[in-house]
Amino acid sequence: EVQLVESGGGLVQPGGSLRLSCAASGFTFTNYWMNWVRQAPGKGLEWVASVKQDESEKNYVDSVKGRFTISRDNAKNSVYLQMNSLRAEDTAVYYCLRGMWIPGYWGQGTLVTVSS
Amino acid sequence: DIVMTQTPLSSPVTLGQPASISCRSSQSLVHSDGNTYLSWLQQRPGQPPRLLIYKISNRFSGVPDRFSGSGAGTDFTLKISRVETEDVGVYFCMQATQFPNTFGQGTKLEIK
Repeated sequence: EVQLVESGGGLVQPGGSLRLSCAASGFTFTNYWMNWVRQAPGKGLEWVASVKQDESEKNYVDSVKGRFTISRDNAKNSVYLQMNSLRAEDTAVYYCLRGMWIPGYWGQGTLVTVSS
Repeated sequence: DIVMTQTPLSSPVTLGQPASISCRSSQSLVHSDGNTYLSWLQQRPGQPPRLLIYKISNRFSGVPDRFSGSGAGTDFTLKISRVETEDVGVYFCMQATQFPNTFGQGTKLEIK
């Protein structure tokens, strides 16, 4: 059974940092791009970042470029999102997602709240 | 960036009746590999999104056959043949043909 379990969310002050983790199981991790998608409270979905199987390609939405870094550890079947210089508008539930071409597996999400 | 526009944004439907949601992209979603990476997702309250349809018309594992997708190029449609209570939620189209991947605004399906 495919499972994606996010962790690392919480309350952080503007300008602060958080590192999100996503532990994957139930599939061959190295076969897939991995992604982060977020959803602000009461709002729609926004793709945040994607990382290729071997980390040779990473892509980001413009609003997080230079502040967020996606990475993965294939030995640990995990993907990460390092978030720096956080802003109020980054407040959202962050979902880990396997693949975007067939986006069939999502984690339950982890809530990030940026507030003073 | 490719803009995805859904209509309607709200759809009150009678149980047992059909429902249809349209999604239009600001440019063609045909990828250089020949595929069209247009998906439909359902999100029930308090739940993560669930994949219904991928590559325009392919139902994902476990999705009832009352859900169907169609379209090509820039115009796509999700149809529910007979709406059931469990179909209440928000529906999103999503394109993964080009970065940044983008979503429609969402269509709220509710029962009349």
